[in-house]
Amino acid sequence: DTGVSQNPRHKITKRGQNVTFRCDPISEHNRLYWYRQTLGQGPEFLTYFQNEAQLEKSRLLSDRFSAERPKGSFSTLEIQRTEQGDSAMYLCASSFLIGQGVFTEAFFGQGTRLTVV
Amino acid sequence: AQTVTQSQPEMSVQEAETVTLSCTYDTSESDYYLFWYKQPPSRQMILVIRQEAYKQQNATENRFSVNFQKAAKSFSLKISDSQLGDAAMYFCAYGTQGGSEKLVFGKGTKLTVNP
Repeated sequence: DTGVSQNPRHKITKRGQNVTFRCDPISEHNRLYWYRQTLGQGPEFLTYFQNEAQLEKSRLLSDRFSAERPKGSFSTLEIQRTEQGDSAMYLCASSFLIGQGVFTEAFFGQGTRLTVV
Repeated sequence: AQTVTQSQPEMSVQEAETVTLSCTYDTSESDYYLFWYKQPPSRQMILVIRQEAYKQQNATENRFSVNFQKAAKSFSLKISDSQLGDAAMYFCAYGTQGGSEKLVFGKGTKLTVNP
């Protein structure tokens, strides 16, 4: 297991197009997180999953953003009708329940850099 | 809502010297976790050090140590014997419920290590 994997690493798209990013967490990690990182800022939490259940999506930036984790393994983040303001690094992270509500630290992927032109 | 503030956008240090990165946070919770993450250029973010708020003892990991002042809500990172490979963005982060849930990050400090 080589860690959290994100694909693609880079994506350039035209405004108005839909894009989908994939995240493969560390195997057996039951928590999966999506963050967005804009230039000069720290990562901003978007949503997270416990296995296949999406536990919070209120932080998703708009209804154009959606995420799934259909079988509790990999996850996808989709942005519909992209706007220039969506240009950012999208980070995925995963963690593992080690007991009684305590998780390991979050392990991050290298991110997908989205550029909307 | 919790906030994390890193007041030093950039810091520099000479190789083999010691540098301290500052972080303050705001929360009304009594049980939480604090982290320092390192993000090298074009590389993934990796955990440097982790502190549980209920522990009074400051965490240490080899050349990295923290000064955790709970009452002051301060969490600084000290890097001793700085190495060229320490050059990176450093992010302070706050988490609850077991440590990794919905981390709140500061804006980061860019550390340059001069040979």
